[in-house]
Amino acid sequence: QSALTQPASVSGSPGQSITISCTGTNSDVGGYKYVSWYQQHPGKAPTLMIYEVNTRPSGIPDRFSGSKSGNTASLTISGLQAEDEGDYYCSSYSSSSTLVFGGGTKLTVL
Amino acid sequence: EVQLVESGGGLVQPGGSLRLSCAASGFTFSNYWMHWVRQVPGKGLVWVSRINSDGRSTDYADSVKGRFTISRDNAKNTLYLQMNSLRAEDTAVYYCARDSGGYYHPLLDYWGQGTLVTVSS
Repeated sequence: QSALTQPASVSGSPGQSITISCTGTNSDVGGYKYVSWYQQHPGKAPTLMIYEVNTRPSGIPDRFSGSKSGNTASLTISGLQAEDEGDYYCSSYSSSSTLVFGGGTKLTVL
Repeated sequence: EVQLVESGGGLVQPGGSLRLSCAASGFTFSNYWMHWVRQVPGKGLVWVSRINSDGRSTDYADSVKGRFTISRDNAKNTLYLQMNSLRAEDTAVYYCARDSGGYYHPLLDYWGQGTLVTVSS
């Protein structure tokens, strides 16, 4: 049940695009189409942003998109806005019948 | 409106026990899997446990297996986490979350605001 690997931090200017990677193994990210992404603002509960690799829940802007290649999933945010600043976590179903999260990535909008 | 409200957190000594509750409203609780996820303040999310809709199937993270028990009362729309043999490393904010996906494809679409558990002497 090792955590998925994410970069500790990324940054971008308003209007730019950024991508956050999430690397796992064949037993989690690479083995299933069930990667989700969550956004968390300080002191708040996480919010689901992407599920099943690339599906957005209703109400999530289409600036947020997801993809996966092999054991690595990615979250791309285009047209960065100030309110996108926060922590982002990936998660995946794991073959051990568990759910595993990434270590989290702090997004700074410059 | 979907609401999840955790309660039961607090200060407990190492080796002690605590039971967390999560009151659900705004949806048909008995139709959904539910999870507990914890977060040490300033650190990342860590999955703890999940339970299926009728309470008969449960899974746990290795770090809590044998010490924590997840359960639910569908008549009371409430999820529980019984935590025994608590350790300092169990100190965290504990969130309950609704799962709209299911066994192989968990997706946690609603979260509570969390309850803080502090294990310290």
